[in-house]
Amino acid sequence: EPEVTQTPSHQVTQMGQEVILRCVPISNHLYFYWYRQILGQKVEFLVSFYNNEISEKSEIFDDQFSVERPDGSNFTLKIRSTKLEDSAMYFCASTSASTNEKLFFGSGTQLSVL
Amino acid sequence: SQQGEEDPQALSIQEGENATMNCSYKTSINNLQWYRQNSGRGLVHLILIRSNEREKHSGRLRVTLDTSKKSSSLLITASRAADTASYFCATDGTDRGSTLGRLYFGRGTQLTVWP
Repeated sequence: EPEVTQTPSHQVTQMGQEVILRCVPISNHLYFYWYRQILGQKVEFLVSFYNNEISEKSEIFDDQFSVERPDGSNFTLKIRSTKLEDSAMYFCASTSASTNEKLFFGSGTQLSVL
Repeated sequence: SQQGEEDPQALSIQEGENATMNCSYKTSINNLQWYRQNSGRGLVHLILIRSNEREKHSGRLRVTLDTSKKSSSLLITASRAADTASYFCATDGTDRGSTLGRLYFGRGTQLTVWP
């Protein structure tokens, strides 16, 4: 079965550094998402992306965050200047209109900001 | 807050027993979904139930939805050790005009099935 793949699985960075989290969504999907899960807390929506632009973003997705689909396969989340509170598991997800709103999630990138 | 809230937070049962997890939410929905997460892994979609449906089955899973009470339940019958995972309900954001795929998750129920 097709999968959403995310790299790296773990990322450790110093506060203030930039990080880029990478995702390869399922190839025929058109809608892409980033969610995050701080340890012990709920999975939270960050941003949705469709037709090469942001469809919706949450209040978490401030100016430090950006997303990009640089080519036909990758979907990236950049955090410009990381903070301690950005430490979380970041999940990429994708879907197509034909999958009845079911999201397909990657295994996540565990980001640790020191 | 629109998020679903699951209960119990943790559930521990023996193999072969049934596991029931509940979810409550606060606003109108188009659909409610249940996801499973194994430790350290991504979320896997289990089942989606639409607001005009009351019950849905998929293998050993049975989901109910009561929109008047804004609640849903997930029943796993004849549980197995491999069912050990966290289970989350997620609602869409229809009354907020949210886009496709913006889901509101609860905190989840940690299910442990002992062999």
